Amino acid sequence: GAVVSQHPSRVICKSGTSVKIECRSLDFQATTMFWYRQFPKQSLMLMATSNEGSKATYEQGVEKDKFLINHASLTLSTLTVTSAHPEDSSFYICSAGTGGRYTFGSGTRLTVV
Amino acid sequence: GQQLNQSPQSMFIQEGEDVSMNCTSSSIFNTWLWYKQDPGEGPVLLIALYKAGELTSNGRLTAQFGITRKDSFLNISASIPSDVGIYFCAGSTGANSKLTFGKGITLSVRP
Repeated sequence: GAVVSQHPSRVICKSGTSVKIECRSLDFQATTMFWYRQFPKQSLMLMATSNEGSKATYEQGVEKDKFLINHASLTLSTLTVTSAHPEDSSFYICSAGTGGRYTFGSGTRLTVV
Repeated sequence: GQQLNQSPQSMFIQEGEDVSMNCTSSSIFNTWLWYKQDPGEGPVLLIALYKAGELTSNGRLTAQFGITRKDSFLNISASIPSDVGIYFCAGSTGANSKLTFGKGITLSVRP
């Protein structure tokens, strides 16, 4: 149990466009979802915490107008990278928390060209 | 932000050997988690620890939640090539609270 599905796994987009990444908890309800960014050979950096039905809480230094997070249901959270630029290229990972367990999605490799 | 202390950054062992990884913190956590990440994938939970002093096994893996709540270790016994990957420790102060991660240890296993 406790499967988190993240899509797409890879996306290439043009600079200035927006990209949406979906994170779904398949067999459980996740009241809290987390979005991370990971650079090569580094640890996961928390971007924001989203609770179902309320606004996301962003970590210091993360632009909330650039990284839009929506957590409209107990099984779905989305991260939209708006007006993407090459420096936004990274590996984005979501995680769903339930009962003290944190299950991660398989990640999305975003490349902005 | 705060990070858990994991070192060294890389470990190289021979297939069949045991290996131990430690994770320490200056502050208390109520949950300790160990994850393994393969290249291009998200972290996969190996072991979750919820009580100080708890010792939990998952196959060849054993992890313990330190009594002080400020540390945890992970042991891998009889290593095999597929143990290669990055091992992260993570701590949480409460159910569904955000996780604090270590920097990770890259494990290489020589056949």
